[in-house]
Parts: sequence; C-alpha cells; structure tokens
Amino acid sequence: KQEVTQIPAALSVPEGENLVLNCSFTDSAIYNLQWFRQDPGKGLTSLLLIQSSQREQTSGRLNASLDKSSGRSTLYIAASQPGDSATYLCAVIPGRRALTFGSGTRLQVQP
Amino acid sequence: EADIYQTPRYLVIGTGKKITLECSQTMGHDKMYWYQQDPGMELHLIHYSYGVNSTEKGDLSSESTVSRIRTEHFPLTLESARPSHTSQYLCASSPPPGDTQYFGPGTRLTVL
Repeated sequence: KQEVTQIPAALSVPEGENLVLNCSFTDSAIYNLQWFRQDPGKGLTSLLLIQSSQREQTSGRLNASLDKSSGRSTLYIAASQPGDSATYLCAVIPGRRALTFGSGTRLQVQP
Repeated sequence: EADIYQTPRYLVIGTGKKITLECSQTMGHDKMYWYQQDPGMELHLIHYSYGVNSTEKGDLSSESTVSRIRTEHFPLTLESARPSHTSQYLCASSPPPGDTQYFGPGTRLTVL
C-alpha cells in the first residue's frame, strides 16, 4: 500500500527566505506526482504536476522535483511571502486510482 | 480555470437527517472523486467514478453513497447523519488518468 510522508509537519520562516518542503513515498510505481496548496477552510489549489518521466517542474517562484527511484519529491519556494502561508500537500497518482495524499506541511511566513 | 462546484459550502444538521452533498463540473471530465478530510488530517478517498453509471468505494470506509447518472454531476448522500460524519468533504474531477485533479471548494459538514 502506498504511503506518503511529508516533512516537516510545520514550518515558520521570516519573509524573503528560500525554503524546501519534502515529500517521500513508499511505492515508486507512480504515474504522476502533484503538489497542492490548501488555505484554511478551503479546497485544494493545484500548484504543480510532475509527470513520472519528468524530473522537475517550475511555476513562478515554485520549483518541484521528482526522484522516482528514491521515492522523493521536493517543493522549493523562492523568496517566500506572507501570502505563501498555507498547508502544502503532496500527492502521488498511481494511474487508475485517485491520489494518495501526505498529511501536509503547514507553512507560516512571518512578515 | 477549473469549473467544479460544491453545494452547500457549510451545513449544520441534527443526527438522523438525510443529506445530499452536491458536486458538479462543467469540464466534461469522466473521472470524479470524493475525499474526506478531518481538521488538520490527511485527505482520504471515499468514492470515485470513471464515468456515467460507474462508482467505486475508495480507501476509507464510508457510510455514504454516491451516484453518477450524468457526467457533470456526482452527488454524495448520507442516509442518516451522525456526529462521526462531521468533516470536510472535497469533490474533484480529472481528465484522462494521471492528469491534474481539479478540486471544488469543499463542504464543511457538522452533525450535532
């Protein structure tokens, strides 16, 4: 059974810092990996989708990498801003089924 | 931007009531999903559908039921709500397997 772990569970940084969120999964037979953002009480917003054949994806200040062989993905956020404060969820897509989610990293960016 | 809608956004009801949470999408996606999330906890898949008249149970056992009579509509029903059903319910849809899943805003359910 696929298990997804995210470290750290919570992170507080001052504005302007670069930071890395980590995601690991136990079964490397994934189709894709997706990073989401969730604001309190709201639904999920997709940030980046990495195909299994890709090693990274970039969108603005965000960069996500994928290493299937080691079962790891990282989300890099450059020059963090208070508006980045949210919970970041990593999810792996096994192909025919829905995503398996990690428990998330709660990020607080202090102004 | 994805067009996936959930109603109601918030619902507070008494024990024993029958409720239906609505989810609809206008993107023509065949695959739709229901997830359940307790505060601060992981999301868990409770139901999914690959298309009209196709429904499957997810990884987390749920007393809810779903139906898929139309492509754009995937309602979730609780026949008799209990306090243990208090949670946030998120609906999602996606194009062919492996592509991005688009999420609705969620329904926050409280059963008293």
